[in-house]
Amino acid sequence: GAVVSQHPSWVICKSGTSVKIECRSLDFQATTMFWYRQFPKQSLMLMATSNEGSKATYEQGVEKDKFLINHASLTLSTLTVTSAHPEDSSFYICSALQGVSGRARQETQYFGPGTRLLVL
Amino acid sequence: AQKITQTQPGMFVQEKEAVTLDCTYDTSDQSYGLFWYKQPSSGEMIFLIYQGSYDEQNATEGRYSLNFQKARKSANLVISASQLGDSAMYFCAMRELDSNYQLIWGAGTKLIIKP
Repeated sequence: GAVVSQHPSWVICKSGTSVKIECRSLDFQATTMFWYRQFPKQSLMLMATSNEGSKATYEQGVEKDKFLINHASLTLSTLTVTSAHPEDSSFYICSALQGVSGRARQETQYFGPGTRLLVL
Repeated sequence: AQKITQTQPGMFVQEKEAVTLDCTYDTSDQSYGLFWYKQPSSGEMIFLIYQGSYDEQNATEGRYSLNFQKARKSANLVISASQLGDSAMYFCAMRELDSNYQLIWGAGTKLIIKP
């Protein structure tokens, strides 16, 4: 269980275009999903917390108008990189929060396989 | 001050040996959770093991166990009988109370298993 998919896995686009990345929880419902960015040889950097049916909460320094997040259902969150530029090239990875029945506070983030974005 | 510290940037271990990956944490919360994730070169983050601050027993999941020493604020990951497929980055993470389920991440340890 606890499978999260992410699509696409790879995307190459021209500067100025927008790119949409989908994150789906396949076998559980997730009211909360997270979007991260990871630079080479570094740890994960949280971009935003996505809650189903409400606006995402962005971390300091993350432009909400550039990185649009929509969590329209309990199994799908999308990240749209608008007007992408070469500095947006990175590895983007999402996670979905799954609770553990009978184990309070053991909610665990399960991750998708990630999306490598290259903006030319 | 760093909340999660992984002091080993990289480790080489012989196949079939046990390996311990260090993680120390800093929090003033009484209730918190500690997680370990594995990230192979493919990029996916794989959940390995969880330890709650109130759990009396050390967590175990197959070949993975967590050596939880609360007084020392350490949560080391122990991998028994290492395999070539264990080669990956390993991240320690902590969730504090009232954190909206967000995780605080360590810098990671790159583990390479030698045949």
